[in-house]
Amino acid sequence: AQTVTQSQPEMSVQEAETVTLSCTYDTSENNYYLFWYKQPPSRQMILVIRQEAYKQQNATENRFSVNFQKAAKSFSLKISDSQLGDTAMYFCALSSSGYALNFGKGTSLLVTP
Amino acid sequence: DAEITQSPRHKITETGRQVTLACHQTWNHNNMFWYRQDLGHGLRLIHYSYGVQDTNKGEVSDGYSVSRSNTEDLPLTLESAASSQTSVYFCASSPGLAVNNEQFFGPGTRLTVL
Repeated sequence: AQTVTQSQPEMSVQEAETVTLSCTYDTSENNYYLFWYKQPPSRQMILVIRQEAYKQQNATENRFSVNFQKAAKSFSLKISDSQLGDTAMYFCALSSSGYALNFGKGTSLLVTP
Repeated sequence: DAEITQSPRHKITETGRQVTLACHQTWNHNNMFWYRQDLGHGLRLIHYSYGVQDTNKGEVSDGYSVSRSNTEDLPLTLESAASSQTSVYFCASSPGLAVNNEQFFGPGTRLTVL
């Protein structure tokens, strides 16, 4: 069975600061992808960033980057220069042989002025 | 532009009624998925399909069914709605059988079962 754990139900950060959201996972597969999805109040699910398990280099998308520690099965998301529009629920997800996504329970992030 | 749509966006029904939620995508994606989102649970997989006439059960499939008669549509049916099925339902699609494929999500349907 695959599991994804997000241990921080809620977090807050001030505008322009940096915040890190944690995610740990468990899978017996060798080939898998990890994702971070953002869900703003509009409810739309938006892909933020993805990481292939075979790639050692951490993925980066503008202000968003990940710290992928394969041996520790850890996949954290760092948001730099936080903006008010980053306020959202963030979900960590895992995809392997089944191709469907296994989601964590989410972290609610509030960016304050 | 290609898109994925869900209808209705909001639905209120009564216990015991049959309900069908529609999902339509214009990307010509092979894979389609249904998830439900509940507070404290994240998104959980209900059913999925890798192509026409293919359907598979997910983690929380009891009380739900799907059918795939064409590439574009994967309707989700609640055979006899229960209050425990009050939730937000998301449909998603992805292009092919590759682990790295991004899933594109619809806007969601909020279902309330009274």
